[in-house]
Amino acid sequence: QSVLTQPPSASGTPGQRVTISCSGSSSNIGSNTVNWYQQLPGTAPKLLIYNNNQRPSGVPDRFSGSKSGTSASLAISGLQSEDEADYYCAAWDDSLNGSVVFGGGTKLTVL
Amino acid sequence: EVQLVQSGAEVKKPGESLRISCKGSGSSFTNYWISWVRQMPGKGLEWMGRIDPSDSYTNYSPSFQGHVTISADKSISTAYLQWSSLKASDTAMYYCASGWLGNFDYWGQGTLVTVSS
Repeated sequence: QSVLTQPPSASGTPGQRVTISCSGSSSNIGSNTVNWYQQLPGTAPKLLIYNNNQRPSGVPDRFSGSKSGTSASLAISGLQSEDEADYYCAAWDDSLNGSVVFGGGTKLTVL
Repeated sequence: EVQLVQSGAEVKKPGESLRISCKGSGSSFTNYWISWVRQMPGKGLEWMGRIDPSDSYTNYSPSFQGHVTISADKSISTAYLQWSSLKASDTAMYYCASGWLGNFDYWGQGTLVTVSS
């Protein structure tokens, strides 16, 4: 049971816009920034969005992030076949001594 | 830019000890926390804990506290994850990652640990 809640799956056709949600609480998303990771099959995760809505250099602007209250979303526009991957949200959690919490991951299928 | 290179795959028996490593190069190793992340077969990412290589301060996820030890040797820009007594349930891919809080901008390639009798 992950601290951050994501839908287990999402899908879309090429060119479509897809959103993936991430729900948390006041101790994590509510008081800290959200980061998103993309994990292609058999590879290490890659930072996709940091500080809620910032893209690292090299990440296409088709990927965008937003946050409101204790929830966050990742949007992918102009869906491409190479976007088929697992996506994870992550945030710092202030409870106890502090820890990083991840969502359970969302498997995105491009139909 | 930081590059993290992890040690190779390991096959161990239950009860054995193990230490895997993560060597940093490029930017200063002591500028960022190094975290360890577990991914069990077919499952999601789990943060295990982190170390600040500049002073070796550590903190662990409650789920992993007492089960693993994270350490670092800043003189050789290397972080470690170790177990004193492995269990079959420790079978997983382990990643090291650098960055702050939940923002990990660089990742190692992963170390596959298999524990089987």
